[in-house]
Amino acid sequence: SQKIEQNSEALNIQEGKTATLTCNYTNYSPAYLQWYRQDPGRGPVFLLLIRENEKEKRKERLKVTFDTTLKQSLFHITASQPADSATYLCALSSNQGGKLIFGQGTELSVKP
Amino acid sequence: GAVVSQHPSRVICKSGTSVKIECRSLDFQATTMFWYRQFPKQSLMLMATSNEGSKATYEQGVEKDKFLINHASLTLSTLTVTSAHPEDSSFYICSARDPGGKYTDTQYFGPGTRLTVL
Repeated sequence: SQKIEQNSEALNIQEGKTATLTCNYTNYSPAYLQWYRQDPGRGPVFLLLIRENEKEKRKERLKVTFDTTLKQSLFHITASQPADSATYLCALSSNQGGKLIFGQGTELSVKP
Repeated sequence: GAVVSQHPSRVICKSGTSVKIECRSLDFQATTMFWYRQFPKQSLMLMATSNEGSKATYEQGVEKDKFLINHASLTLSTLTVTSAHPEDSSFYICSARDPGGKYTDTQYFGPGTRLTVL
């Protein structure tokens, strides 16, 4: 069955450092991979989308890579700030506008 | 752009009653909306896909007679939890695609509804 795994343990880093979150998947060939941010008691907020034929995507301090051979995506936040503290979810879909399958999320805590 | 709202934000009800949750796309028309459920410290689980003007498509294991979905207009989908029980207590989140927006492949999520069944 399809499986998506993210860092299960919370990630604690110091302000200013780069946070790197991992998303691995098995038994799946996604056409799209997306990253969302979720704050406690709130709905997810879309951050970045990367397609299967793209290796890397950037948006301000965020960078996403997508390796379809390794079946892995890395999500980087550079110059991290305490305001970046949240749970980050990766989600995959197999076709345009199709349903998303979510990982369990990684909780990031950035200390001042 | 691409704002999705939900109402109510939280609801407490007695066991056996029915609860309706509304999901609205505020600045775009959504032919497709999705309903998710999220238990504490767990990921979002897709319950059903709601298509405007047609029947919803439910995921395996989700009872369609218990979770009634209506998508009567391009900006509104409703989820009714019928005869709610304590095990239905959860965080319910809807999302919508914006087919005319910049990112047509992504989903925009509502703020969620916290349901507590006593």
